[in-house]
Amino acid sequence: GAGVSQSPSNKVTEKGKDVELRCDPISGHTALYWYRQSLGQGLEFLIYFQGNSAPDKSGLPSDRFSAERTGGSVSTLTIQRTQQEDSAVYLCASSLGGLVSETQYFGPGTRLLVL
Amino acid sequence: AQSVAQPEDQVNVAEGNPLTVKCTYSVSGNPYLFWYVQYPNRGLQFLLKYITGDNLVKGSYGFEAEFNKSQTSFHLKKPSALVSDSALYFCAVRDMTGANNLFFGTGTRLTVIP
Repeated sequence: GAGVSQSPSNKVTEKGKDVELRCDPISGHTALYWYRQSLGQGLEFLIYFQGNSAPDKSGLPSDRFSAERTGGSVSTLTIQRTQQEDSAVYLCASSLGGLVSETQYFGPGTRLLVL
Repeated sequence: AQSVAQPEDQVNVAEGNPLTVKCTYSVSGNPYLFWYVQYPNRGLQFLLKYITGDNLVKGSYGFEAEFNKSQTSFHLKKPSALVSDSALYFCAVRDMTGANNLFFGTGTRLTVIP
């Protein structure tokens, strides 16, 4: 596709349930990033994938969060046993090769509400 | 450690007037600086970036930003604001010291008053 796509656009879940968020990066982009945007705050880095290298998980807030990237393309962010503080907009971005100077292109985000 | 400060949560400007959205940064090495804009219920859209070279960077929609190394600033500017410029603006930074991600400021909400 022309840009980064994410699904679903909105997700409402009950506390304690698991959720999966999907990101489809720009075709040909080898680097993929997940960020979280909480109300009134900036973007918080979660995880980074680059090609076949081991992901950088340094931003994941707890072991309830995990992500995978299959075939070097689509990525899924999974939140287990969701808590109300997980409510946020989850943004995915991709860049061509992961270089520091490259522009990261963002998807429209998934707005997660945990009741 | 990298960090970005956007000192103004809210900026109001009259349509047709020049606008400035402020950003200062802290990095260990040479900075790579970015501006993004976010419209309601949308993702972040890239506006411009500074990597090296000319300190004045021109970007999308008539925006520009000036890199000032001595003041560690990268303020976003536009000579004449449009109502359609009203949005949330984020400044972000990376450097070469190892972090894989962008570090974002907390955002500045720009309102252009007709």
